[in-house]
Amino acid sequence: SSELTQDPVVSVALGQTVRLTCQGDGLRGSYASWYQQKPGQAPLLVFYLNKNRPSGIPDRFSGSSSGDTASLTITGAQAEDEADYYCYSRDTSGNRVVFGGGTKLTVL
Amino acid sequence: QLQLQESGPGLVRPSETLSLTCNVSGASISSISYYWGWVRQPPGKGLAWIGHIHSSGTTYHNPSLKSRVTISIDTSKNQFSLKLNSVTAADTAVYYCARDRGWFDPWGQGILVTVSS
Repeated sequence: SSELTQDPVVSVALGQTVRLTCQGDGLRGSYASWYQQKPGQAPLLVFYLNKNRPSGIPDRFSGSSSGDTASLTITGAQAEDEADYYCYSRDTSGNRVVFGGGTKLTVL
Repeated sequence: QLQLQESGPGLVRPSETLSLTCNVSGASISSISYYWGWVRQPPGKGLAWIGHIHSSGTTYHNPSLKSRVTISIDTSKNQFSLKLNSVTAADTAVYYCARDRGWFDPWGQGILVTVSS
């Protein structure tokens, strides 16, 4: 299967650490990327190639991957991190792009 | 700085063809070996990949859209386009264009296309 599974809803207390996960066979041997989307805005790349953070993204965001699971960790979550987060990867054919269903992150 | 901007009609009638263009500025669409992609998001739902085109003209699209999708590139205008035919209400979505390097960045601001009579 080329589907990617994310927890639909996750909450975290302000200043605490939260780990968002993305699971699927499509992640084996390929790279995951993560996107943050706030209401009414286009998605924003926050991590790519499993472990790379684009310039301008706070270093409290970090990424990792192992086997069929990719993770995005926010260390010391801030109120402005409240958003929807989507993972993404190509499937094993290298052509078909798959997005996860998204995680709605609430910062309490 | 690379920027992308979608344009096209915001309203399309059922069974007709949705046509959108993504204008690329800040870099030549033909001078860099990237894919250029389309992603859509139905209201209140998640992101869905539509397809992408390489600067060479090679295209790939989501099999779930079958043969309804055509993606083309116009290097003279520094833009690429999406056509989706035989649209239904299920095609109502915000449509985004983005550069695809194996990850999507940057994105256009998106354009809402509503399918309705």
